Amino acid sequence: ETGVTQTPRHLVMGMTNKKSLKCEQHLGHNAMYWYKQSAKKPLELMFVYSLEERVENNSVPSRFSPECPNSSHLFLHLHTLQPEDSALYLCASSQQGAPGQPQHFGDGTRLSIL
Amino acid sequence: EDQVTQSPEALRLQEGESSSLNCSYTVSGLRGLFWYRQDPGKGPEFLFTLYSAGEEKEKERLKATLTKKESFLHITAPKPEDSATYLCAVPGTGNQFYFGTGTSLTVIP
Repeated sequence: ETGVTQTPRHLVMGMTNKKSLKCEQHLGHNAMYWYKQSAKKPLELMFVYSLEERVENNSVPSRFSPECPNSSHLFLHLHTLQPEDSALYLCASSQQGAPGQPQHFGDGTRLSIL
Repeated sequence: EDQVTQSPEALRLQEGESSSLNCSYTVSGLRGLFWYRQDPGKGPEFLFTLYSAGEEKEKERLKATLTKKESFLHITAPKPEDSATYLCAVPGTGNQFYFGTGTSLTVIP
């Protein structure tokens, strides 16, 4: 496996369900990110982990709960979501510490809330 | 306020018809500008990083350029396989990254 891998690729859940999204990076990076991508809107940065510590939480509702057990794995735990949470959720990684390092993305999880 | 604006929103080209995409940015102390390509059902794929005004990067039919206020992605003699959404992004303060809404490019055979 190379790059950034996200599972599942598609997820349909009801508003009362609990599910988790998984991300794994094989690039040796030290920072990981969750983004939300909705139609006609820019990518919205949700959470940033640097060296396994959460360093950014952009006013994301508490129904989204991230977890970063090590520098290669990132989870997004979901519970009691709303229909407006339907979107593509993207994970990315980068090497922080060096100026202007790009992020590398997985192919996302397409989430649909019924 | 840091932000990124891309234009046009959508662009249709005939195969071989060259054009340019624009990315305007306002950010304090630019620490790089990134171009990505995103295909339907996929995540953004990194293309280029530009660090300073006057810098240019090339890859196949794509060339990215940077000024103090904007970046251009020039597409020379495009092919249908160049059809995708092209995104630009800049790092903001702290750990923030700001993306534009993208340009959806369609190249018609």
